[in-house]
Amino acid sequence: GAVVSQHPSRVICKSGTSVKIECRSLDFQATTMFWYRQFPKQSLMLMATSNEGSKATYEQGVEKDKFLINHASLTLSTLTVTSAHPEDSSFYICSAFNTETQYFGPGTRLLVL
Amino acid sequence: GIQVEQSPPDLILQEGANSTLRCNFSDSVNNLQWFHQNPWGQLINLFYIPSGTKQNGRLSATTVATERYSLLYISSSQTTDSGVYFCAVAGGSWGKLQFGAGTQVVVTP
Repeated sequence: GAVVSQHPSRVICKSGTSVKIECRSLDFQATTMFWYRQFPKQSLMLMATSNEGSKATYEQGVEKDKFLINHASLTLSTLTVTSAHPEDSSFYICSAFNTETQYFGPGTRLLVL
Repeated sequence: GIQVEQSPPDLILQEGANSTLRCNFSDSVNNLQWFHQNPWGQLINLFYIPSGTKQNGRLSATTVATERYSLLYISSSQTTDSGVYFCAVAGGSWGKLQFGAGTQVVVTP
């Protein structure tokens, strides 16, 4: 099956710093990737659609200047949380399509102190 | 957007029991997937099933697209089946999955 990796798996940072999360499709090319956010005991919420070679599309209510997305190649998308604050602490998960099925990375746990 | 409702919200099973999880959706879909989220947060693909019936080992799923629901069957449950089961659908925009709230399953020895 298709494999999607994320790095780092967990990160702790101080308030006001920026954090970059990488999402890679390991054995297939993905022109489109997706970024989700999940709070404890809740479901996944789509944040944005990452398109290779073009600007990301953000869901309503998601600040594009705070959550910067770059999809520079067919196997890599990055999410940068800029000037992170404690309320940005969450579980961030990326996904990519391979044929009809969407495959998810293992997620990144972000804790902002 | 499409509304996705899953039931029951919680399910406690004894090992060896069978169960059925339900997913109702509010509009026609071109993508429906079932996932299992393990205790470490990893989402594991179970089925891509916008219509019809599929089986994989002890798990099977049926989607009746005309009636806008899907069912996930777990037979002979094992403790490793514990976790949250999500149904996710996409309508007009094929890739943008809308997730249900999930069903928390606990299988006891």
